[in-house]
Amino acid sequence: EAGVAQSPRYKIIEKRQSVAFWCNPISGHATLYWYQQILGQGPKLLIQFQNNGVVDDSQLPKDRFSAERLKGVDSTLKIQPAKLEDSAVYLCASSFSGTGHYGYTFGSGTRLTVV
Amino acid sequence: AQKVTQAQTEISVVEKEDVTLDCVYETRDTTYYLFWYKQPPSGELVFLIRRNSFDEQNEISGRYSWNFQKSTSSFNFTITASQVVDSAVYFCALSNYNQGGKLIFGQGTELSVKP
Repeated sequence: EAGVAQSPRYKIIEKRQSVAFWCNPISGHATLYWYQQILGQGPKLLIQFQNNGVVDDSQLPKDRFSAERLKGVDSTLKIQPAKLEDSAVYLCASSFSGTGHYGYTFGSGTRLTVV
Repeated sequence: AQKVTQAQTEISVVEKEDVTLDCVYETRDTTYYLFWYKQPPSGELVFLIRRNSFDEQNEISGRYSWNFQKSTSSFNFTITASQVVDSAVYFCALSNYNQGGKLIFGQGTELSVKP
């Protein structure tokens, strides 16, 4: 079974620029999550999708962050404009169902550095 | 409120020592899942264990063991005869069945095993 694919692996941008991250979940997984992990902290949920609908985006800074999951498969997370405090690893995870019962599979993450 | 606390920020041991990583959680749900993940320097999150709230049996997997006690809301992780390859950041996480399944992570414990 292929894992959760994320790209790019690393990205360096200047503040006020825009950036986009891509995630391809495990086939058949209805639930997709984007987490932000700032250095020295645990991952924090940004947004959760169930198929192509948003379940929870309460912690997504909507003035600069946006995400979509077209056709309930791949997802894209965008930051525009980026700030220095957005430097973090962005992790995508998928799950068969949005309950935790079946566990989660994480991608390798995208490490973003904003300079 | 849901919360996971890992009070130990850093632990340093010498190879072959036993080490216990503490995890205390808070939740109002009766059905929930607890997880431990390992994050080596390469950055990916490696799944170690998942327990549901109705199963308080301790579990052993090789040198790893987990002690789940609902009475104290704790889910501690012990590594027996630690090895250098165990050096990593370890995260405890909580997922509530009725709240979309998002993972709530602790701050992590950085374990350093010295030869």
